[in-house]
Amino acid sequence: GEDVEQSLFLSVREGDSSVINCTYTDSSSTYLYWYKQEPGAGLQLLTYIFSNMDMKQDQRLTVLLNKKDKHLSLRIADTQTGDSAIYFCAGTLSGGSYIPTFGRGTSLIVHP
Amino acid sequence: DSGVTQTPKHLITATGQRVTLRCSPRSGDLSVYWYQQSLDQGLQFLIHYYNGEERAKGNILERFSAQQFPDLHSELNLSSLELGDSALYFCASSVVHGAGANVLTFGAGSRLTVL
Repeated sequence: GEDVEQSLFLSVREGDSSVINCTYTDSSSTYLYWYKQEPGAGLQLLTYIFSNMDMKQDQRLTVLLNKKDKHLSLRIADTQTGDSAIYFCAGTLSGGSYIPTFGRGTSLIVHP
Repeated sequence: DSGVTQTPKHLITATGQRVTLRCSPRSGDLSVYWYQQSLDQGLQFLIHYYNGEERAKGNILERFSAQQFPDLHSELNLSSLELGDSALYFCASSVVHGAGANVLTFGAGSRLTVL
């Protein structure tokens, strides 16, 4: 199975909160990342969290980490149409590897 | 503009052919990573170079090879192309942040179509 799993699609109404979920298999993960990919562009780092943290907040973004359940989530408050993109969860997995392993990405669709 | 430059942006070629994708990392970054993005496989790590030396290999086929030159730009060579090689190929460079996170900066990608 995959090391990092995400649901493929999420649709929300403008102004609502979006929550994108991710699960990972490697309990020794050190860093977990969220990247955003807009159409026709490369991936852009949104935020990352160290494995000894439970939560990180950065303006409209909140990352929650549940190490026991190996679950990571990204909450976007007051979602705007400009937030429509593919969101990738990634982690440095496999016992100390520094190479980020990416999930397949979640397509966030924001409609008026 | 992320600072990572990839050329060409689009490439259409035939099965059996060979292509070269080029990447210039962000100024000051010594590491270059190559990833392949396809609909069925997602984003797959191919290979990592650091300051001219190969450091890690992922799911890279034997038909594919890469190198990093003294000026730090990198090339990914894809040969004996098959239809299944059609994908977006991303290059990324990295800097390690203070706490040790390996943050990748991605280029816009090279879209390869094999007909």
